Amino acid sequence: GAVVSQHPSRVICKSGTSVKIECRSLDFQATTMFWYRQFPKKSLMLMATSNEGSKATYEQGVEKDKFLINHASLTLSTLTVTSAHPEDSSFYICSARGGSGRGNNEQFFGPGTRLTVL
Amino acid sequence: DAKTTQPPSMDCAEGRAANLPCNHSTISGNEYVYWYRQIHSQGPQYIIHGLKNNETNEMASLIITEDRKSSTLILPHATLRDTAVYYCIVRVRSTGNQFYFGTGTSLTVIP
Repeated sequence: GAVVSQHPSRVICKSGTSVKIECRSLDFQATTMFWYRQFPKKSLMLMATSNEGSKATYEQGVEKDKFLINHASLTLSTLTVTSAHPEDSSFYICSARGGSGRGNNEQFFGPGTRLTVL
Repeated sequence: DAKTTQPPSMDCAEGRAANLPCNHSTISGNEYVYWYRQIHSQGPQYIIHGLKNNETNEMASLIITEDRKSSTLILPHATLRDTAVYYCIVRVRSTGNQFYFGTGTSLTVIP
């Protein structure tokens, strides 16, 4: 299957700082990328849908000013957690879907980023 | 919101077939059923998907009932490495084709 990477894989930060997480599709062009968060022993919760070159669409209850998403190219989307607090500690996972050909139907998931806010 | 319900957990003996059920009674006619699995602290891995016909690939088989209200994922010969949480997902037909994950089934393969 297609490969999606995330960086960093793990980050620890102090409360009040901002953290940027990168999601890259390595071998296909992703017209749409998705961001999820997952708490321990819970399922994945969709946060937002990001289309290349346009503003992200956020799910109900997700603060767009808190979780800034940029999808500036067909292979890169970033999630910035602004003014992070301990309750933002979670496993953040991205996925990518292509517009045609490879990755067209399936979502290919990244390995996830473990964020711990002290 | 997730459109699927699955049993929270199942056990399967190593080498036997694992049959994981999923209910999706409100599925629309043009919505696909997807199966992914997640091993602890990793991103979900694609397994298989289908619309109305049964599907088979190198990993698994997908059996969809004629009324499309339920489906079963079959792992023909379960191994210890198949221990994971399995998610059945109905892909939302919209411009974004979002996935809304349900609670999934935690499958434990027993030696």
